[in-house]
Amino acid sequence: NAGVTQTPKFQVLKTGQSMTLQCAQDMNHEYMSWYRQDPGMGLRLIHYSVGAGITDQGEVPNGYNVSRSTTEDFPLRLLSAAPSQTSVYFCASSQLRRDIQYFGAGTRLSVL
Amino acid sequence: AQSVTQPDIHITVSEGASLELRCNYSYGATPYLFWYVQSPGQGLQLLLKYFSGDTLVQGIKGFEAEFKRSQSSFNLRKPSVHWSDAAEYFCAVDPSNTGNQFYFGTGTSLTVIP
Repeated sequence: NAGVTQTPKFQVLKTGQSMTLQCAQDMNHEYMSWYRQDPGMGLRLIHYSVGAGITDQGEVPNGYNVSRSTTEDFPLRLLSAAPSQTSVYFCASSQLRRDIQYFGAGTRLSVL
Repeated sequence: AQSVTQPDIHITVSEGASLELRCNYSYGATPYLFWYVQSPGQGLQLLLKYFSGDTLVQGIKGFEAEFKRSQSSFNLRKPSVHWSDAAEYFCAVDPSNTGNQFYFGTGTSLTVIP
């Protein structure tokens, strides 16, 4: 049972490039979310999904897009990367909205 | 503004000493409360949670936390710290009345000295 799997683990982008951070879970969880972690700011919610086909914005959604075509996958897209998006990104899932969240190992992104 | 506050950015304790990490929140109603731990370069792992019932909850690795409604606090404690407890600790709150959001504190970094 792999839990929550994030790829890649590390990524370096140039300003203006696009990329997709992948997140997959094998626990059949309905609720999935993306966070970014910055020094001194804890984790902040970017986008979340309460089920396939349903997504919504979190606290810091600007510059990011998401989609949820299947229960298992919840990719995060950066359409035009900016240095302010340099961060560590975590994907999480839970069976219910108000429940324990299980986290992936994170993706460390640098935008130059 | 609604918030989750961890007032101690960094704490250093000696191995074997007791530990208390503070967490205060300002959300109304009865939130769900969590403590997560993050080891360097790793994701977050749940230590314990409070949903309802007994206000003293036990978690993994010998940790416990007490929910005090009157103080809007959910402090994490451990009677005897081990060197392996050195990590970053996050308090998290799932309010009952703000839709689907989930909020983290800014974290407390724990150093354990021999």
